[in-house]
Amino acid sequence: AQRVTQPEKLLSVFKGAPVELKCNYSYSGSPELFWYVQYSRQRLQLLLRHISRESIKGFTADLNKGETSFHLKKPFAQEEDSAMYYCALSGPNSGGSNYKLTFGKGTLLTVNP
Amino acid sequence: DAGVTQSPTHLIKTRGQQVTLRCSPKSGHDTVSWYQQALGQGPQFIFQYYEEEERQRGNFPDRFSGHQFPNYSSELNVNALLLGDSALYLCASSLLGTDTQYFGPGTRLTVL
Repeated sequence: AQRVTQPEKLLSVFKGAPVELKCNYSYSGSPELFWYVQYSRQRLQLLLRHISRESIKGFTADLNKGETSFHLKKPFAQEEDSAMYYCALSGPNSGGSNYKLTFGKGTLLTVNP
Repeated sequence: DAGVTQSPTHLIKTRGQQVTLRCSPKSGHDTVSWYQQALGQGPQFIFQYYEEEERQRGNFPDRFSGHQFPNYSSELNVNALLLGDSALYLCASSLLGTDTQYFGPGTRLTVL
């Protein structure tokens, strides 16, 4: 069974400080990993995906298969980064169907001025 | 393009009733997935529709059913409502073969 664990429910940092949101997963194959973000009063949206190895809004995430982790990092947090962050994984999509996401419970990040 | 839209925004029902939630996908998308998000939890996959057929299903009872129409819009039906069905129901659309899902604002269902 696939499972995503986000050990921190709440994370509070000061502006300019580094931030790391932890994500561990359990999956017996090669998963696709994603980070989704939900800003206040906005809908859930994709932040980044491991397969594209991109940096979005200064955030990066590296898939560590040995540790089964996909932690989200940013060297200098900004107040506008305050939001709910969800880590999600998807197994390979089978023919005729598309990605099915398994989400963690989320981490609420607060960046203080 | 308004993106993914859902209706209604809020809904209050009593135990045993039935409810229908609606979703219109983002323009150009052909696949609709439904998720249930209980308070303090991440979204949980209910099922996915493509070409008007249910393609994948999560661990939800048969009381949860759905439908996709030729215009790709979708409905989620829940029968014999339980108190535990109270949650935010999210619809997400995507294009088959792509990995990005676009979420709607959700429908907040309260079962009394």
